[in-house]
Amino acid sequence: QQQVKQSPQSLIVQKGGISIINCAYENTAFDYFPWYQQFPGKGPALLIAIRPDVSEKKEGRFTISFNKSAKQFSLHIMDSQPGDSATYFCAASESGLISGGYNKLIFGAGTRLAVHP
Amino acid sequence: EPEVTQTPSHQVTQMGQEVILRCVPISNHLYFYWYRQILGQKVEFLVSFYNNEISEKSEIFDDQFSVERPDGSNFTLKIRSTKLEDSAMYFCASRHKPRFAQYFGPGTRLTVL
Repeated sequence: QQQVKQSPQSLIVQKGGISIINCAYENTAFDYFPWYQQFPGKGPALLIAIRPDVSEKKEGRFTISFNKSAKQFSLHIMDSQPGDSATYFCAASESGLISGGYNKLIFGAGTRLAVHP
Repeated sequence: EPEVTQTPSHQVTQMGQEVILRCVPISNHLYFYWYRQILGQKVEFLVSFYNNEISEKSEIFDDQFSVERPDGSNFTLKIRSTKLEDSAMYFCASRHKPRFAQYFGPGTRLTVL
């Protein structure tokens, strides 16, 4: 129940196209859903995050769509660029009283995105 | 922009040796974490630390692991007797308050021979 399932495992997109990565979860106590971008040899960098009180959040070319009833959320990268080529991780955490608010992140398996020129 | 720093960037050690991985979290952050990532796999939670004590640990974080905040700035992860399977990238992360974002350091690549 602590798992976050992420798909696809890898994705190839042409420059200017839309990249879509999907995640699903089971734990209804999760209330924070960040996406991290990771380049080879580097640490995960926070890209964008959403809480379940909104269905969509947009920051520049990056949009998170959130479907609470389906327990799914997705990352859309509009106008994908070669510089977006990286591994993307979705994650989830809970901040409720039971967890003490310590917010460990549960990560998905990652999606390796390649944007071709 | 403040960032989490980690040293060393790469540590090579012999099986059975002790290693200490060091992290300097962002200065006004109160919650600290260690995660690890085995090559090509997902990032896994190891331990969280708040108010000078462990708040949660995963099943990976066994008696061979310990964490410490020896002063007001450093946060360390010690592995007492390394095993081959401890080879991974170890990431430190920190957070200011509950419900705030976690920020990750660049990682330490640990290679156990």
